[in-house]
Amino acid sequence: GAGVSQTPSNKVTEKGKYVELRCDPISGHTALYWYRQSLGQGPEFLIYFQGTGAADDSGLPNDRFFAVRPEGSVSTLKIQRTERGDSAVYLCASSSNQGAGELFFGEGSRLTVL
Amino acid sequence: QKEVEQDPGPLSVPEGAIVSLNCTYSNSAFQYFMWYRQYSRKGPELLMYTYSSGNKEDGRFTAQVDKSSKYISLFIRDSQPSDSATYLCAMSARGATNKLIFGTGTLLAVQP
Repeated sequence: GAGVSQTPSNKVTEKGKYVELRCDPISGHTALYWYRQSLGQGPEFLIYFQGTGAADDSGLPNDRFFAVRPEGSVSTLKIQRTERGDSAVYLCASSSNQGAGELFFGEGSRLTVL
Repeated sequence: QKEVEQDPGPLSVPEGAIVSLNCTYSNSAFQYFMWYRQYSRKGPELLMYTYSSGNKEDGRFTAQVDKSSKYISLFIRDSQPSDSATYLCAMSARGATNKLIFGTGTLLAVQP
């Protein structure tokens, strides 16, 4: 596809459950980012991959959050023991280089934890 | 105090008006400044990108950066109803260019 693809677009789960969110970046983009956007807020940085490795995971809020990108393309954000406060839109973005600013975002996965 | 402050609005203007959107920041290490536009239930899309201080113009959009005041602006001329969206400022520091810090976003409504 032409853009960043995220699945599922909506996910409703119960407190305590495990959730996986998937991101398929633009073909050829080596850098991949996860951001989280709560209602009425701007996106908040979670983690950045350059190739297969997590170059910066300083934004992950705690050890319940984990992300992988095993082949340097598709990435999965994993959330264990979900809490109501995890409810947000999880945005994935990719870019063609390590440079600043020109991130191409997907439409996000809207997570609701009941 | 947040690193980036942005008035959430909402801001309502008539079609054809000049719109001014602003952000202030506290981290003097920020070198790269961006404006993203986000339509409802969509991902942000990059509008303008500037490095350090100065002005940049692209069509109806002008971005200004004043590093001495830690203040950035986005001007929209001849605003259109299709400009109705949330406008997010974002910035990053040298050496951490991949880590964008966003403002809360300003919701703009352009009335036909």
